[in-house]
Amino acid sequence: DQQVKQNSPSLSVQEGRISILNCDYTNSMFDYFLWYKKYPAEGPTFLISISSIKDKNEDGRFTVFLNKSAKHLSLHIVPSQPGDSAVYFCATPLSSGNTPLVFGKGTRLSVIA
Amino acid sequence: GAGVSQSPRYKVAKRGQDVALRCDPISGHVSLFWYQQALGQGPEFLTYFQNEAQLDKSGLPSDRFFAERPEGSVSTLKIQRTQQEDSAVYLCASSLERVGRQQSNQPQHFGDGTRLSIL
Repeated sequence: DQQVKQNSPSLSVQEGRISILNCDYTNSMFDYFLWYKKYPAEGPTFLISISSIKDKNEDGRFTVFLNKSAKHLSLHIVPSQPGDSAVYFCATPLSSGNTPLVFGKGTRLSVIA
Repeated sequence: GAGVSQSPRYKVAKRGQDVALRCDPISGHVSLFWYQQALGQGPEFLTYFQNEAQLDKSGLPSDRFFAERPEGSVSTLKIQRTQQEDSAVYLCASSLERVGRQQSNQPQHFGDGTRLSIL
């Protein structure tokens, strides 16, 4: 079964610095990953994704890196802003194509002004 | 509205009562997903639909859980004889793509969830 693991439950970063959130996965069959951001009392919001044909995808302040040999991906936020404070989930499809997602447990990011 | 709408936002029920949670997906979205999120955990898949067809319900925790999407739009998740362990946030998501299609730039869009508390 596909599993994703976020081993850091929380992260605290100063405003303006870089935030790095990590995610490891166990099954390399479906190398497509998404990051979602969640504010309290709201649903997860799609942030950025990456597929196996790339090792990097960038969207403004957000960059996701995929290391297939290490089965590891990371989300970089630079510069970090107080509004980035939220819980970040990495996710991957259960199987090929548009199928239900498997989520990590999330990392709570706090950006301190 | 433009997003996925879920109602009610909060539901408190006594153990043993039946509850029904509603999801209005984004108009035109073919796929609809239900997830359960316990405190401190990520969302976990329950069931999903392509139009009115329920393609997989393997994530439903017990036969007390039932979901339907009779006209391929609005979906209802029903929980019968609720138990305290059913307390969680129930999230609905919809996607433009059909299930099984190649991943594209059409991710799943989530509603704000229903927070269910069983006393």
